[in-house]
Amino acid sequence: GQNIDQPTEMTATEGAIVQINCTYQTSGFNGLFWYQQHAGEAPTFLSYNVLDGLEEKGRFSSFLSRSKGYSYLLLKELQMKDSASYLCAVMDSNYQLIWGAGTKLIIKP
Amino acid sequence: GAVVSQHPSRVICKSGTSVKIECRSLDFQATTMFWYRQFPKQSLMLMATSNEGSKATYEQGVEKDKFLINHASLTLSTLTVTSAHPEDSSFYICSAASGDSSYEQYFGPGTRLTVT
Repeated sequence: GQNIDQPTEMTATEGAIVQINCTYQTSGFNGLFWYQQHAGEAPTFLSYNVLDGLEEKGRFSSFLSRSKGYSYLLLKELQMKDSASYLCAVMDSNYQLIWGAGTKLIIKP
Repeated sequence: GAVVSQHPSRVICKSGTSVKIECRSLDFQATTMFWYRQFPKQSLMLMATSNEGSKATYEQGVEKDKFLINHASLTLSTLTVTSAHPEDSSFYICSAASGDSSYEQYFGPGTRLTVT
């Protein structure tokens, strides 16, 4: 079956760095997405990786290793507004998104 | 970036009634629209995929007669929850993808449905 695993919850300190991991097993691979979702709101797109390596976009970076079925989202200089759920999703061979359950990130002052 | 709107944002209805939720792509043509459902603290669950002008493809376990989806134009898709029951209370989110960039879905803000 298809499976996306990510930690349920993480806590970090304002100003620090946090890495959210995602491992996947899917039928085919057409890219991996990271989304941010604040409570009661729809997800917003953060990043898309289809090739191995690191993609940097401001304070956020996303890494992919296709051979290991692994990705991480790196958040630097954490701000209180970064408190949210972070969803990992993989597009399979049918171009459908398979979603992880999300990682709730709690930022403490 | 591309903008997708949903209406209404919140709706409360009585058990047994039907509710229609609209999803519109405001500044691009959406060849494909997706409807998701999300329960508290759970991931998005894809309900169905709709392509303009054709019947929606429903995911296993989703009742097509209960959740009617219409994708009448390249900018509008509707989800109608028929004969709603309290267990249908959820957060419904649509997303849209254009033919040029189907790798990226643009999400609407979601609709909170409460059935009393």
